Amino acid sequence: AQSVAQPEDQVNVAEGNPLTVKCTYSVSGNPYLFWYVQYPNRGLQFLLKYITGDNLVKGSYGFEAEFNKSQTSFHLKKPSALVSDSALYFCAVRGEGSSNTGKLIFGQGTTLQVKP
Amino acid sequence: DAGVTQSPTHLIKTRGQQVTLRCSPKSGHDTVSWYQQALGQGPQFIFQYYEEEERQRGNFPDRFSGHQFPNYSSELNVNALLLGDSALYLCASRGTPLSTDTQYFGPGTRLTVL
Repeated sequence: AQSVAQPEDQVNVAEGNPLTVKCTYSVSGNPYLFWYVQYPNRGLQFLLKYITGDNLVKGSYGFEAEFNKSQTSFHLKKPSALVSDSALYFCAVRGEGSSNTGKLIFGQGTTLQVKP
Repeated sequence: DAGVTQSPTHLIKTRGQQVTLRCSPKSGHDTVSWYQQALGQGPQFIFQYYEEEERQRGNFPDRFSGHQFPNYSSELNVNALLLGDSALYLCASRGTPLSTDTQYFGPGTRLTVL
């Protein structure tokens, strides 16, 4: 069965420092991977996705993610964190099989706290 | 260009009651999915609607049902509410049902069951 793991409940970084939010996945075929961000009392905002191609994917708000097939990871990164990046981040993988391709399977989420 | 909209924003019900949540997809999208996000958890897939039919379903009981209208908007109905149904209900839309298109989410409806 497909699954996503976000091993850190919370990540703390200082403003201006690089940030990494970790995600590992488990699928039997080729993964379709996504990152979303959720601000308090808001829905999920799409950041970026990996379908195929370059392992480094660039997304919204200066975020990027690195796909690593051998490590089954899809870590979210940003070279210089902003206080406004503080939010809850979710990694997700698309379901496999004809009866599951419509759904996203989410990790538990990682709270990113950027301090001034 | 309007994004995904949901109504109401908040809702309070008591156990045993029934509730209907509404969603309008992003302009140009025809496929709608519903997710349940319990406090401190990631969203869980409930079901997906395309061409006014339920196409895919997650591991939720039959108390959860839905509908899609000809204008692609959708409703989520939950019968015989339980305390455990308290959650943020998210609607997401996409352009086609079986592609790698991105799902775009609405702001959600916060349901509290007392």
